Amino acid sequence: IQMTQSPSTLSASVGDRVTITCRASQSVNDWLAWYQQKPGKAPRLLIYRTSGLERGVPSRFSGSGSGTEFTLTIGSLQPDDFATYYCQQFDSYPWTFGQGTKVEIK
Amino acid sequence: EVQVVESGGGLVQPGRSLRLSCATSGFVFDDYALHWVRQVPGKGLEWVSSISWNSGSIGYGDSVKGRFSISRDNAKRSVYLQMNSLRIEDTAIYYCARDRAGWPRGIQHWGQGTLVIVSS
Repeated sequence: IQMTQSPSTLSASVGDRVTITCRASQSVNDWLAWYQQKPGKAPRLLIYRTSGLERGVPSRFSGSGSGTEFTLTIGSLQPDDFATYYCQQFDSYPWTFGQGTKVEIK
Repeated sequence: EVQVVESGGGLVQPGRSLRLSCATSGFVFDDYALHWVRQVPGKGLEWVSSISWNSGSIGYGDSVKGRFSISRDNAKRSVYLQMNSLRIEDTAIYYCARDRAGWPRGIQHWGQGTLVIVSS
């Protein structure tokens, strides 16, 4: 299953509402996770099973979708949110990642 | 506190083998799936392999299938990645990580990674 994220890079300002899309080449049902990664650090799980908010993750992060199209939304972008975001499907092997979306400061 | 610590990385020649180890603590090891994920510095994440809580389900990425093998030792609270027939393109940081469940559903706790360099 191929996972395609869009956009690859996103320029936004603090306070903006940001949406990242992840499309699967075939249905992954709702087995979709989102991660945040900052330079030099390991990734951090944000969202599991499409919309489950991982413990400790701020509520401005939300996930939605089903089947082949999913979104990660950051309700009001904060300075700590500038990072690269990845989706990953867990419907069928291999558990593929999207190519990443870098959120930059505008 | 959950801890995941990789070891075994280093410089290896193409065609040779290397075994990565991952020691864990702070949780009931038998209850969770475990993963290996790699990343070329500056590039994206690539899932390498996973093993479910009871070793009943094991999977590999297409680029490593047939060359890499994952295993877990519940008594030692450790997971391993045996890497054979290494290629230059296997050069990456290798992360060991714990899932949030016994079957892969989201990679919750990550190690800091161990660097593998395949070069002559």
